[in-house]
Order: sequence, then structure tokens, then C-alpha cells
Amino acid sequence: GDSVTQMEGPVTLSEEAFLTINCTYTATGYPSLFWYVQYPGEGLQLLLKATKADDKGSNKGFEATYRKETTSFHLEKGSVQVSDSAVYFCAQSLNAGNMLTFGGGTRLMVKP
Amino acid sequence: DTEVTQTPKHLVMGMTNKKSLKCEQHMGHRAMYWYKQKAKKPPELMFVYSYEKLSINESVPSRFSPECPNSSLLNLHLHALQPEDSALYLCASSQDGAGGTQYFGPGTRLLVL
Repeated sequence: GDSVTQMEGPVTLSEEAFLTINCTYTATGYPSLFWYVQYPGEGLQLLLKATKADDKGSNKGFEATYRKETTSFHLEKGSVQVSDSAVYFCAQSLNAGNMLTFGGGTRLMVKP
Repeated sequence: DTEVTQTPKHLVMGMTNKKSLKCEQHMGHRAMYWYKQKAKKPPELMFVYSYEKLSINESVPSRFSPECPNSSLLNLHLHALQPEDSALYLCASSQDGAGGTQYFGPGTRLLVL
């Protein structure tokens, strides 16, 4: 079935370190792909998205490229800040009729 | 503006109480969703309304009753809940019917005693 797999956390980094959170998907078609972020005690915020192969989504210094050949949508940031500490969810949506399928979430902790 | 609002922010209720959660969006979105999120887990879909009609019910117990009075409002009526129903309840909306990019509200944190 359709699924999204993320690297398990927590991921602990020092401030200004490079971040990668891996995400791979399994889908019968060509899904839209999303990264959502959830700060402590809050709801989910859309961080970025990509709707077709080779698209790059970007926002707030975060980037992710839709790689059809590796069925991946890894999240990257060149220099993390303490304020980036949160849980990050990768998700896919196959088409207008389908719902979001979430990965398990990855907790990021950034230390000063 | 991509804001979805939810009230209340926190709710404590006993197992015999009746309460309601409220969600509102003014983005002209035609689909609205209820999710339940337990600690350290991703959100789980409960209900979907598309064009003000219930289109998906993910086998949710009848003690949860959704209502969509109009295209901007979504309610979740709660009655005779169990302690295991304690969770963060998230509302979301999307533009063109069910699916696509969903925008989430801040959630209502529910504690059932």
C-alpha cells in the first residue's frame, strides 16, 4: 500500500550544523509531497511542498527535492537554529481524491 | 492568509460531559478535516467534509459527532468520552474538495478524566 517512511529520531544537532531528514515514499502513482513542522504544543504548519518530479520546495532555509528515481523527498537545511527544534512530518497525497499519508515524524533537537 | 482557527485551546471534561470543539476558516476552502493526534505520533484522520457533506468517516466511534453548519465552520461534538480519547484534536482545510494541500489549525488539547 501507499506509505511514507522517515528516519527515526531524535536527531540532535548543534546550532549551525547541516540538517538532513530522510523521507521515502511508496505510491502507485505520482503523489504530491509535503513537509509539515510541529513546534511544541502547536498544530502542524506546512513547511514546503512539491507536486511533480524534480520540483524543489523551499521555505525558511529548508529545501527538499522530489526525486522520482529514488522515491525520496529528503529535507535539508544548511545551518540549523535552536528555534528549528520541532517534529517534522513528511507526507504524500496521491491526487485530489486522496488523503494525506504521514510518515512517523522525526524530532529535531538543536543545542546552542 | 492561510489561517485555521480552533477553540478552545484546552478542554478538560468528565466521561459524562457533553462538549464541542469548533474550527473556522475564511480561505474559501471547500474541504475540512478532523484529526486526532496522540503524543509522539502522526495525526490520524477522523472525518472529512467536502462541500459541506460528510465524505469520509474513518470508523470513528459514535461518541464523536461531526457537524459542518456552513463552508467556513466545522464542529466536533463530544459525548461520553473515555480517558483514552485524550489527545490533540486538529482541524484542517483544503481548497478544492478533499485532498491536496491541507492547512492545519493549532489544535485543541483534550483531557478526559
